[in-house]
Amino acid sequence: KAGVTQTPRYLIKTRGQQVTLSCSPISGHRSVSWYQQTPGQGLQFLFEYFSETQRNKGNFPGRFSGRQFSNSRSEMNVSTLELGDSALYLCASSLELAGALSSYNEQFFGPGTRLTVL
Amino acid sequence: AQSVTQLGSHVSVSEGALVLLRCNYSSSVPPYLFWYVQYPNQGLQLLLKYTSAATLVKGINGFEAEFKKSETSFHLTKPSAHMSDAAEYFCAIQGAQKLVFGQGTRLTINP
Repeated sequence: KAGVTQTPRYLIKTRGQQVTLSCSPISGHRSVSWYQQTPGQGLQFLFEYFSETQRNKGNFPGRFSGRQFSNSRSEMNVSTLELGDSALYLCASSLELAGALSSYNEQFFGPGTRLTVL
Repeated sequence: AQSVTQLGSHVSVSEGALVLLRCNYSSSVPPYLFWYVQYPNQGLQLLLKYTSAATLVKGINGFEAEFKKSETSFHLTKPSAHMSDAAEYFCAIQGAQKLVFGQGTRLTINP
């Protein structure tokens, strides 16, 4: 079974631009989460989607947005890029049983997209 | 709110020595706890997980961790370090539809 894939792997943008990152979950997984990893702040949760609905959102400005499609693929968008947005963006998928919001769900991570903002 | 704290941002051990990476958690409900490893320029790989079954959890690559409720700890150990263990290790606790990570511990193996 193929793992979580993220595209592109590397991206260089300039301040003020916008960027869209893509994540394809493991086949059959309906939950997709996004995390930002920086040397200073570590791993921080951005948002989580399940069946095209955002269920949870981290403490990030509105410039960070996401969506999930009917095939569970997800995209995240960052508008008006700032230097501080330079980070590794990780996507994770999990197989979640319907109604099992509080149970354990193992998350499988992709290799990440390395975003550099100049 | 649930949280984890990793004690020591850098740990250095000799090849063949015991590896001990410390993690303490805070949770108002029985926790689900995880250890992940990250190699350079890669994503996170799950080493092991505690999901309220056995308190001693065995993972991949010879790692294990023991859940101690009285100490609110979930330390990661490996009896004998190998050069290939050099990486960054993250302890995490499951929150509502998300993982909350510790700051990470960079493990260096000295030959």
